[in-house]
Amino acid sequence: EIVLTQTPLSSPVTLGQPASISCRSSQSLVHRDGNTYLSWLQQRPGQPPRLLIYKISNRFSGVPDRFSGSGAGTDFTLKISRVEVEDVGIYYCMQATQFRTFGQGTKVEIK
Amino acid sequence: EVQLVESGGGLVQPGGSLRLSCAASGFIFSSYSVNWFRQAPGKGLEWLSYISGNSRTINYADSVKGRFTVSRDNAKNSLYLQMNGLTAGDTAVYYCVRDSYDGGDYRHGDCWGQGTLVTVSS
Repeated sequence: EIVLTQTPLSSPVTLGQPASISCRSSQSLVHRDGNTYLSWLQQRPGQPPRLLIYKISNRFSGVPDRFSGSGAGTDFTLKISRVEVEDVGIYYCMQATQFRTFGQGTKVEIK
Repeated sequence: EVQLVESGGGLVQPGGSLRLSCAASGFIFSSYSVNWFRQAPGKGLEWLSYISGNSRTINYADSVKGRFTVSRDNAKNSLYLQMNGLTAGDTAVYYCVRDSYDGGDYRHGDCWGQGTLVTVSS
């Protein structure tokens, strides 16, 4: 099973300041088709998760451009350029290269 | 509007069974693969099963293999999860989740239902 490790697990951020979350995989997430199926999801309090980023760096429909994803192989990062109140929640990385597994989640909160 | 609506959750005794349903609308259901995920109270996300659009490919997580069975009825735009041998560890919110494939791009988990709560307790 592919294990995803997120850091930090908690991220208190000042409004308008950037936030960054790391996701490290126990093995390469490059699929045999050449793609890397690493996604980022956001779960606001009391809501189901929603897709933010797919295939490392592609923003899903309707996702603000302050969210960006990067990385390759086993190391990936989600960045929020300027945190807004609506960004409070838990962020998960998810791999779909080999079935599905998730990181533990990173709680983003306002300082 | 693309929508997934789960139902069938509730309180069940240990060792019991439950069948969850997921009603899809707003898209051509048969063209999409779908999954079941769950989230225990205050915990993270766990993938449970995958079924392709034509039901030819089905996968399960080790944690539910042999106990849970996924199926779909494309004529009814519905996904199902038959859960047997339930234990307290199966207590969670269960989500129906769509994958999409468009123009060579896979978007895993592009649509989530609101979830249905399953509580296993005596």
